[in-house]
Amino acid sequence: NAGVTQTPKFRVLKTGQSMTLLCAQDMNHEYMYWYRQDPGMGLRLIHYSVGEGTTAKGEVPDGYNVSRLKKQNFLLGLESAAPSQTSVYFCASSAKGQDFYEQYFGPGTRLTVT
Amino acid sequence: RKEVEQDPGPFNVPEGATVAFNCTYSNSASQSFFWYRQDCRKEPKLLMSVYSSGNEDGRFTAQLNRASQYISLLIRDSKLSDSATYLCVLSPSGGYNKLIFGAGTRLAVHP
Repeated sequence: NAGVTQTPKFRVLKTGQSMTLLCAQDMNHEYMYWYRQDPGMGLRLIHYSVGEGTTAKGEVPDGYNVSRLKKQNFLLGLESAAPSQTSVYFCASSAKGQDFYEQYFGPGTRLTVT
Repeated sequence: RKEVEQDPGPFNVPEGATVAFNCTYSNSASQSFFWYRQDCRKEPKLLMSVYSSGNEDGRFTAQLNRASQYISLLIRDSKLSDSATYLCVLSPSGGYNKLIFGAGTRLAVHP
């Protein structure tokens, strides 16, 4: 039981390049989330999904797109990376309903955009 | 104004000390409250939920004061392994699907 895994763990991009971050969970959770964490800012929600095939915008969605084609996977795309997107990205999943508050996080992806 | 405010610390305490963190929130309609713990360069993990009546889990006690809109976490008999960042978290009104995280308070316990 791996929990939540993220690929890759580290990445350096040049401005304007694109990339996709992959999140996978094996807990059969309905809900999945993408956050970014910056010093002094706390975790901020980028996009989330409450089920396969559905996604919604969070607090800071601009510059990112997501897809949830399979229940266990949640992909985060950066179409044209900018230095402001340098951050640590965490994926999380949770059960639906009243237990949603216990979110299980992946180990994070450290992204640097130069 | 941030929706969740925490003192960033660090709080430097000796082993065995009692330490308390406070957190304030701005939206009185917020539904539920939690403390998460995040070790250095690791992912956050749920520590405990916070109830108006207060709740205790071993050396940890969490309290919610809705009238003053603050949450507290008390750690008694601090251990070296308690060194981490403690995140104050709430769920906004409007359904069970989103959490809002504070920036965290860093605790360093020394021998």
